[in-house]
Amino acid sequence: DAKTTQPNSMESNEEEPVHLPCNHSTISGTDYIHWYRQLPSQGPEYVIHGLTSNVNNRMASLAIAEDRKSSTLILHRATLRDAAVYYCILRRGQLFSGGYNKLIFGAGTRLAVHP
Amino acid sequence: NAGVTQTPKFQVLKTGQSMTLQCAQDMNHEYMSWYRQDPGMGLRLIHYSVGAGITDQGEVPNGYNVSRSTTEDFPLRLLSAAPSQTSVYFCASRINNAGNTIYFGEGSWLTVV
Repeated sequence: DAKTTQPNSMESNEEEPVHLPCNHSTISGTDYIHWYRQLPSQGPEYVIHGLTSNVNNRMASLAIAEDRKSSTLILHRATLRDAAVYYCILRRGQLFSGGYNKLIFGAGTRLAVHP
Repeated sequence: NAGVTQTPKFQVLKTGQSMTLQCAQDMNHEYMSWYRQDPGMGLRLIHYSVGAGITDQGEVPNGYNVSRSTTEDFPLRLLSAAPSQTSVYFCASRINNAGNTIYFGEGSWLTVV
């Protein structure tokens, strides 16, 4: 399984943009890039995912490098509620037939947001 | 929609005791799974199920059993609790193989003394 590498921690100020990096140099062509976040004492929640093109949703944007060996989760205006652990995960795509597409969670990036 | 519901939220066990963590989802999802999370670490997959009657092992299955008699329920059984099984347990589900969004329960905090 391809692995991801993220910084252990990052800090931001409230209402500033945050760029959370993720390296995945061994990504394969059918791997989707997923981001989940985990608020304190809660289960992880889905943030965004993408394959090749940049993606936007109401929570965040995902910028994927042209060679797909890295990606960046962008929170456009950090709020105190965005303080969480952010996980960058690779998931084998729908071309993989049969079985369960396992998500392998690393330690993630702990984001602190200061008022 | 309640989503993914786990019970109990907190439990203390003595070494050697057995117990079952319950997980139920009301979204008619085919795929369900159990993860454990140790302090400062990411989640590790224990067991998973791709549909009723079908289960398989994840990364860390030893000491745990699962069954999937219905689409809605996926209980996790600790056969003989050990202190190494002290952890937070998360149940998760997603619609099927094509589903990209995984929904997690709120977690069950288990302490084995």
